[in-house]
Amino acid sequence: DAGVTQSPTHLIKTRGQQVTLRCSPKSGHDTVSWYQQALGQGPQFIFQYYEEEERQRGNFPDRFSGHQFPNYSSELNVNALLLGDSALYLCASSLRGLADYEQYFGPGTRLTVT
Amino acid sequence: KNQVEQSPQSLIILEGKNCTLQCNYTVSPFSNLRWYKQDTGRGPVSLTIMTFSENTKSNGRYTATLDADTKQSSLHITASQLSDSASYICVVSANTGGFKTIFGAGTRLFVKA
Repeated sequence: DAGVTQSPTHLIKTRGQQVTLRCSPKSGHDTVSWYQQALGQGPQFIFQYYEEEERQRGNFPDRFSGHQFPNYSSELNVNALLLGDSALYLCASSLRGLADYEQYFGPGTRLTVT
Repeated sequence: KNQVEQSPQSLIILEGKNCTLQCNYTVSPFSNLRWYKQDTGRGPVSLTIMTFSENTKSNGRYTATLDADTKQSSLHITASQLSDSASYICVVSANTGGFKTIFGAGTRLFVKA
């Protein structure tokens, strides 16, 4: 039973560029949440996707957008990258209707913006 | 304002010793509190989960306590091992009918031989 997977593992981009990060949820899960974790900080909620729609959103600008596909996998897109976007991006999956603590995290994608 | 504060920010202990990490929160209405272990550059892994009616939960050498009246939780690690070196994150969820989960900044634990 595969857990949550994310790709790529590491990524280096230049300011102003755009980036797409990918996440495959744990088998049986239908909900995907994305988090940004700056060095030495706790994860910050970006948004959550269910049934291919954004259901909840944290305090992030419109440069951060996402998508969920019919197979429940998800993408996080960040446009016009800033140096401050350098962080570990975590994906977490869960099954809608269950308690939010039934959430599993992926290994993360480390994004460095230079 | 919903907040989760953890202390200390970092901690260094010798292998075999015990330690206790603290978490204070103002999230309400309270739903559940979780402790995660996060190795450097990796995703968080759940250690314990406690709801309102639970005041202690153990997972091997990890024991979490919860005082819902004072809105405090602690994570006690017994007989520490080098592999316990990691960040420990306290996460509190509010029962608002929607998604409301607040992460603490974490305590960075270093276990030395």
